[in-house]
Amino acid sequence: AQSVTQLDSHVSVSEGTPVLLRCNYSSSYSPSLFWYVQHPNKGLQLLLKYTSAATLVKGINGFEAEFKKSETSFHLTKPSAHMSDAAEYFCVVSEGSNQAGTALIFGKGTTLSVSS
Amino acid sequence: DVKVTQSSRYLVKRTGEKVFLECVQDMDHENMFWYRQDPGLGLRLIYFSYDVKMKEKGDIPEGYSVSREKKERFSLILESASTNQTSMYLCASRLQSRNGEAFFGQGTRLTVV
Repeated sequence: AQSVTQLDSHVSVSEGTPVLLRCNYSSSYSPSLFWYVQHPNKGLQLLLKYTSAATLVKGINGFEAEFKKSETSFHLTKPSAHMSDAAEYFCVVSEGSNQAGTALIFGKGTTLSVSS
Repeated sequence: DVKVTQSSRYLVKRTGEKVFLECVQDMDHENMFWYRQDPGLGLRLIYFSYDVKMKEKGDIPEGYSVSREKKERFSLILESASTNQTSMYLCASRLQSRNGEAFFGQGTRLTVV
């Protein structure tokens, strides 16, 4: 069965410093992996997705993530945090099948705080 | 623009009431989902549907049922609302593909008193 573990429930950084949000997954098959962001009182927005092409995936707003099969990890990074990055981030896994009923399984989320 | 629309942003219901949450998507997606979101617990899958009249239980189906009579509409039903079902409910849809991203509605904040 698939599962996702976000290793930090809360990460605090200063504006202009790097961001690292950690995610480990468990999947029986070749997974698809996603990062979603949710700003306060807003809906969920896709940041980026890995679908077995390049292992380094670039997303919106300067975020990127690297798929490491040997470590079963999909960590999210950004070189320089901006105040507008403050939000909740979710790592999500979908097992690699086109069969009916492939759901997205969410991690518990990481809240990113950015201070000036 | 793709759109997933949930019928209500806010609902207040009494314990024991039957509650219907409606979701409509305009993208012709095969898969639709209901999640609930609680602080510190992320999004937990209640039910999903991969075709009309087809449904699968998620991680927390107890106390809920669903209905999908048309491809674009997926309803979540609380048979007898209880206070522990007070939560944010999110509907999503996606293509039947391992690569497909999910598109989410704005959510319904349900309070059961």
